[in-house]
Amino acid sequence: GAVVSQHPSRVICKSGTSVKIECRSLDFQATTMFWYRQFPKQSLMLMATSNEGSKATYEQGVEKDKFLINHASLTLSTLTVTSAHPEDSSFYICSATREGHGYTFGSGTRLTVV
Amino acid sequence: QKEVEQDPGPLSVPEGAIVSLNCTYSNSAFQYFMWYRQYSRKGPELLMYTYSSGNKEDGRFTAQVDKSSKYISLFIRDSQPSDSATYLCAFDRGSTLGRLYFGRGTQLTVWP
Repeated sequence: GAVVSQHPSRVICKSGTSVKIECRSLDFQATTMFWYRQFPKQSLMLMATSNEGSKATYEQGVEKDKFLINHASLTLSTLTVTSAHPEDSSFYICSATREGHGYTFGSGTRLTVV
Repeated sequence: QKEVEQDPGPLSVPEGAIVSLNCTYSNSAFQYFMWYRQYSRKGPELLMYTYSSGNKEDGRFTAQVDKSSKYISLFIRDSQPSDSATYLCAFDRGSTLGRLYFGRGTQLTVWP
């Protein structure tokens, strides 16, 4: 089956620094990737939709200059949290899909900003 | 009104019990109905997927969809401690490569 690898699984960073999270589709070419954010005991909130080779589409209220998304190839999308602050601490999950196939999720990244 | 409503629980049952999880939705454009299981600090994994009203069975799991009432359910028979997880309902409008809409998840604990 389809496999999506997300790295790192856990990261702790200092306030003001930037963190990059990678999402790779290992055995298929993902034309679209989604980035979600999940707070404890809350649902997955879509942050942005990323199509290979084009700019990401951000959901209302998500700062595109703070959450930089790059989808340079059909197997890799990255989310960079710039100038991270404690309120950015959360669980970030990517999902990859291609037409005719379902959605495969990564294992998530727990970000803690101290 | 939220597009998806799901009781967050928590729900605690003894091993062997039948578990019923439910979601309601308001968006008539939803065409595909899914249930995901999410273990603590992991990404969601697809459990059941259906696109029509009625029941779909897969082992101990049965997904039920009632489009007229905008109500979906997931039943777990002979529940096991390994079923302890958060269960999220999810909906797809069927547009090409569109996003999913999630419920907030129901936390289930099955105790031995």
